[in-house]
Amino acid sequence: GAGVSQTPSNKVTEKGKYVELRCDPISGHTALYWYRQSLGQGPEFLIYFQGTGAADDSGLPNDRFFAVRPEGSVSTLKIQRTERGDSAVYLCASSRGGDNTEAFFGQGTRLTVV
Amino acid sequence: RKEVEQDPGPFNVPEGATVAFNCTYSNSASQSFFWYRQDCRKEPKLLMSVYSSGNEDGRFTAQLNRASQYISLLIRDSKLSDSATYLCVVKGAGSYQLTFGKGTKLSVIP
Repeated sequence: GAGVSQTPSNKVTEKGKYVELRCDPISGHTALYWYRQSLGQGPEFLIYFQGTGAADDSGLPNDRFFAVRPEGSVSTLKIQRTERGDSAVYLCASSRGGDNTEAFFGQGTRLTVV
Repeated sequence: RKEVEQDPGPFNVPEGATVAFNCTYSNSASQSFFWYRQDCRKEPKLLMSVYSSGNEDGRFTAQLNRASQYISLLIRDSKLSDSATYLCVVKGAGSYQLTFGKGTKLSVIP
């Protein structure tokens, strides 16, 4: 079966532009996470969805970042007015939910803001 | 204090060596613990969950000490293919948020 799919795999954008990053979770997984990973660091939590709703968006760094999951499956992370400091690998993960269920990660989108 | 702290590494060990990674966490209410492995420029993948009684999977042994808020991973008979970054991960009670450590890089040398 297909794993978590993220597109694009790489994105280069100019400072100030708007970008959208897409995540296709594993079919049937109700929980979906977005993380951001900078070089030499562990993944940093951004937002968590249970179904269609954002159950926890406390990790979003500021109001330039927004994420949606309108039908409880595919999710889009949106970044407005990108800054060079937004450059990182954006990772999406999904799981069946519950305390000990495994979270499966996609290969990430490498965002470079120039 | 960071929520999850790991040995800074890197660890460079010869094939066949035994290597141990340590991790501490700050939230005493944390309930679930994991080790993830991340290869260079790849996504993190679950290596093993960590249980209070300790658990073993082949050459890998994970231990949890709740009183000390400490987690460890032991790798015996290291293989070249074990070279990767090992991430300590903690989840709070009733929480869904996985909190990652910075990771410890392991290089197994022929």
